[in-house]
Amino acid sequence: NAGVMQNPRHLVRRRGQEARLRCSPMKGHSHVYWYRQLPEEGLKFMVYLQKENIIDESGMPKERFSAEFPKEGPSILRIQQVVRGDSAAYFCASSPLGSTGELFFGEGSRLTVL
Amino acid sequence: KNEVEQSPQNLTAQEGEFITINCSYSVGISALHWLQQHPGGGIVSLFMLSSGKKKHGRLIATINIQEKHSSLHITASHPRDSAVYICAVPSNYGGATNKLIFGTGTLLAVQP
Repeated sequence: NAGVMQNPRHLVRRRGQEARLRCSPMKGHSHVYWYRQLPEEGLKFMVYLQKENIIDESGMPKERFSAEFPKEGPSILRIQQVVRGDSAAYFCASSPLGSTGELFFGEGSRLTVL
Repeated sequence: KNEVEQSPQNLTAQEGEFITINCSYSVGISALHWLQQHPGGGIVSLFMLSSGKKKHGRLIATINIQEKHSSLHITASHPRDSAVYICAVPSNYGGATNKLIFGTGTLLAVQP
C-alpha cells in the first residue's frame, strides 16, 4: 500500500509562471489536506478537500492560489503568477476518516521561485 | 483560536540519554499530533492521541487534557533520532481536528 505521493519533489519556477503540485492520497483515503512550510517558519494549514469538494480553504491566500480534488486523479494545488514569497515546502496529507482520522503525510514538494 | 508552544526549541543530547519534549496548548482539543521531520525531508506522523499515553518502540507520548499539556519522550536516544519534532493541535475546539496549527518544532541533535 503506497503512501501519500507528491510530485514533483522539487520545482523551480520564474516569477510570473504557474506552479502545479500534485498529491495522490493513500489508497482508500478521500480526505486531503495541504499545508505550507515557509523557510524558517512552521507549518500552516492551507486547505481541506474531499473528492470534488473544498471543505475548508480558510488558510489559502485570497489570490493566485487554488486547489482541487477531482473525482478521478490526484489533488492539485495550483499557484498562478508565482512570486518569490511563494518559495516554500508544500505538504499534502491524507486521512481515511476525514476530520478525525490519523494523518499520513507525503514527502512534500519544494517550490523555488527565482 | 488555539495557540501551541513547544519547549525546548533546540536540544542536544548524548547517545543513550532520555529525552523529553514538551507541548502546551491554550484551547480544549479532541486529539493532539506529534510529528517528526528530518532536515529537508518529509513529515512522519508519530502519534495521534486524545488521552493517557501511547508507546511505539522507544517513543512514548503522554497527554494531560486538564492541564493542556503533552510530552514526547525518547528512551535510549540514538543519532538517527536527530530531527525536528513538531506538536500540532486542532485550530479550534469542536472544529475539524485535522485543520491543525503547529508548534514551531524542537530541533533535536543526538551526538554519538
